[in-house]
Amino acid sequence: DIVLTQSPDSLAVSLGERATINCKSSHTLLYRSNNKNHLAWYRQKPGQPPELLFYWASTRESGVPDRFTGSGSGTDFTLTISSLQAEDAAVYYCQQHYGSPPTFGQGTKVEIK
Amino acid sequence: EVQLLESGGGLVQPGGSLRLSCAASGFTFSSYAMNWVRQAPGKGLEWVSGISGRGGTTDYADSVRGRFTISRDNSKDTLYLEMNSLRADDTAVYYCAKVNNGVYYSYVDLWGPGTLVTVST
Repeated sequence: DIVLTQSPDSLAVSLGERATINCKSSHTLLYRSNNKNHLAWYRQKPGQPPELLFYWASTRESGVPDRFTGSGSGTDFTLTISSLQAEDAAVYYCQQHYGSPPTFGQGTKVEIK
Repeated sequence: EVQLLESGGGLVQPGGSLRLSCAASGFTFSSYAMNWVRQAPGKGLEWVSGISGRGGTTDYADSVRGRFTISRDNSKDTLYLEMNSLRADDTAVYYCAKVNNGVYYSYVDLWGPGTLVTVST
């Protein structure tokens, strides 16, 4: 199985400041046949189901604010929130959609400082 | 409105059985693979099982293989998870999850609100 390791496990960021979350894969997620990185990002607010933020590592889902950016390739990926808002306090997960079984990172909790 | 709604969760004793259902609406159900994903209290997300759009392909996490069975009824736009030989470590919120295409291990673009399964005496 492909293992995804997120860092840090948690971080506290002031409103308006930048938050950066990393996701490292044990296997490349770059699929040569379509030249796409098969990695998704989700945000899970307290008491709610997850919601999709990005797929193909950097394609923003409809409705996701542009303060969110997904980047990276191969085995190393990053989710950046450029200017943290109160509603961004949540747990963020990466997920590989390269192969079976689909696997998730352990999650990164973002808190407001 | 595009939505998923799970039902069937509850309290069950160790060794017992439970059947979860997920009613889909607002999209062509048979065109998409579906998954069950669970989240134990205070823990992260764990993929449980997936099924292709027509139901011909299924897969399971090693932790539930042989105990859980995923199925779907495309005439009723409903996904199921039959859970047998339940254990305490199966306690979790179970989410029904729609995948963006016909491949069950692709990314999830729609989640249900979840249903809580508690395995305890």
